[in-house]
Amino acid sequence: EIVLTQSPGTLSLSPGEGATLSCRASQSVIRSTLAWYQQKPGQAPRLVIYGASNRATGIPDRFSGSGSGTDFTLTISRLEPDDFAVYYCQQYGASSFTFGQGTKLEI
Amino acid sequence: QVQLVQSGAEVKKPGVSVKISCKASGYIFTTYFIHWVRQAPGQGLEWVGRIDPSDSGIHYSQKFQGRVFMTRDTSTSTVYMEMRSLTSEDTAVYYCARELDTTCYFDNWGQGTQVTVSS
Repeated sequence: EIVLTQSPGTLSLSPGEGATLSCRASQSVIRSTLAWYQQKPGQAPRLVIYGASNRATGIPDRFSGSGSGTDFTLTISRLEPDDFAVYYCQQYGASSFTFGQGTKLEI
Repeated sequence: QVQLVQSGAEVKKPGVSVKISCKASGYIFTTYFIHWVRQAPGQGLEWVGRIDPSDSGIHYSQKFQGRVFMTRDTSTSTVYMEMRSLTSEDTAVYYCARELDTTCYFDNWGQGTQVTVSS
């Protein structure tokens, strides 16, 4: 099973600032299978990025994804109050889907 | 619009089974896989398995092999997940989510079903 490790565990920032969230894999990940989700308390996850760098429908261009191999990044510029949530990375490989443990983006 | 509507909360005793449902609407049911992902209290997301509604093809996480069973009813566009031999470790919110044909991401999610296992 491919293990995804996200860092930092918690990121404290203010509206207007930029955020960089990291996702590191225990072995190389096929880029097209790497996705990012946003989850707010009491809600289901919401797809943000798929294929490592493609924004999902309705996601503003302040969100961008990059990376390859074992290192992937979600970047959020000009943070807005609605962006503060937990973010998970996810991949498919070795016949299994796995998620990172999440990064909490807090004000 | 696309909707995945899940059945209501369940409370079960250890050792018994639970069966929850996910009803799809707003798209062609047989064109998307349906996955189940769970989230224990205060924890992250864990993949349980998926079913292909077009042919009932199954792919379960090794962790749940033999204890989870997924079925579908194309007449009602509903997917079911049964989990057997429940323990307190199975207490979680269970989400269904759809995936378009091996694209490997989940673009729509159900609202979640709370399953509580307690004696």
